[in-house]
Amino acid sequence: GQNIDQPTEMTATEGAIVQINCTYQTSGFNGLFWYQQHAGEAPTFLSYNVLDGLEEKGRFSSFLSRSKGYSYLLLKELQMKDSASYLCAVRESYNTDKLIFGTGTRLQVFP
Amino acid sequence: ETGVTQSPTHLIKTRGQQVTLRCSSQSGHNTVSWYQQALGQGPQFIFQYYREEENGRGNFPPRFSGLQFPNYSSELNVNALELDDSALYLCASSPGQGRVGANVLTFGAGSRLTVL
Repeated sequence: GQNIDQPTEMTATEGAIVQINCTYQTSGFNGLFWYQQHAGEAPTFLSYNVLDGLEEKGRFSSFLSRSKGYSYLLLKELQMKDSASYLCAVRESYNTDKLIFGTGTRLQVFP
Repeated sequence: ETGVTQSPTHLIKTRGQQVTLRCSSQSGHNTVSWYQQALGQGPQFIFQYYREEENGRGNFPPRFSGLQFPNYSSELNVNALELDDSALYLCASSPGQGRVGANVLTFGAGSRLTVL
């Protein structure tokens, strides 16, 4: 079956660091994506991991362990504008744009 | 470069009616996929179009259908609307397999459909 789990909600303080975890069970694996979605807006691409390890991009980093079916998104130096939903998604096959999404983690950043 | 644009942004229909949603893909993208996002949920894959043909379908009934046009724009049609069809419908485009950045989907802001 297909299952992607991530926490429903998280809160953090401006300037802090937050880690959003994602575990997955899918029939195939061809990459894991993180998207950010502000309320009423389009999901926007944050990161992509297909090999094990850490990918760093500015204040955002994403980690993947394929053997554990586990990923996390790390947000550093949190800003108020980082308040959004963060979607974890897996692509099962290389020849399709079908992504399997988790329900999303709603992050609220407080001053 | 322009992003993915969708229309209409909001619409209200009644049960049993039909709806058509439209999507213009990002410049240079030839593959379009559609997703349904219910409130508080992640997007669910409906289907994908490549070279004007359906190229993959999720777990949605046949009353969900689509088209892709030669300019790579796309339509999503839903017949016999049900209350549970109320959702945000997202269109996403990509450059297609084998091209630079093929892995990344660019999403539009969506069409919010309410079925009464």
